Amino acid sequence: AQSVTQLDSQVPVFEEAPVELRCNYSSSVSVYLFWYVQYPNQGLQLLLKYLSGSTLVKGINGFEAEFNKSQTSFHLRKPSVHISDTAEYFCAVSPKGAGTALIFGKGTTLSVSS
Amino acid sequence: NAGVTQTPKFRILKIGQSMTLQCTQDMNHNYMYWYRQDPGMGLKLIYYSVGAGITDKGEVPNGYNVSRSTTEDFPLRLELAAPSQTSVYFCASSSQRGAGETQYFGPGTRLLVL
Repeated sequence: AQSVTQLDSQVPVFEEAPVELRCNYSSSVSVYLFWYVQYPNQGLQLLLKYLSGSTLVKGINGFEAEFNKSQTSFHLRKPSVHISDTAEYFCAVSPKGAGTALIFGKGTTLSVSS
Repeated sequence: NAGVTQTPKFRILKIGQSMTLQCTQDMNHNYMYWYRQDPGMGLKLIYYSVGAGITDKGEVPNGYNVSRSTTEDFPLRLELAAPSQTSVYFCASSSQRGAGETQYFGPGTRLLVL
């Protein structure tokens, strides 16, 4: 079975500050890794995903994430946040060779203030 | 190209009533999913479908039913609504190429059972 732990439920930051949202996972098989973002009153949209290759993945809106296999982590980073980045961020995994279902973490609320 | 659409946006049900949540996608995706999102709990998979006529249970299927008669539509049926089904419901779809594919989410249906 797989599980995803997002280590911070809420992250408040000031505009233009850097941010890191932490995600750890547990799985007995290899997984694909995803970060989705949910803006207020909207559905989820993909920020970035790791399938294979380079462990540093770049996504939309200046976000990037690094896959660390030994620490089973997939932390999301942005060097300078904007007010518009205020949203809920979900880390998710999908086990390889076992369909396409996503297992989500509980989410991290990023609040950016001026 | 509308992507994934869901109706209704919001609904209040009385205990014991039934209703169908509608989901339609126009991307010709074979895979479709229903998730529920409870506050602070992330998303949980209710049911999924890998193509017309084929459905399977996810993590939390009790109290729900689905059908998939066409590629485009994947309705979710609640037969006897219970307060525990108060949640936000998201429909999603992905292409048939398997695990690692991006899931595209609808805007959600907010359901309140009183």
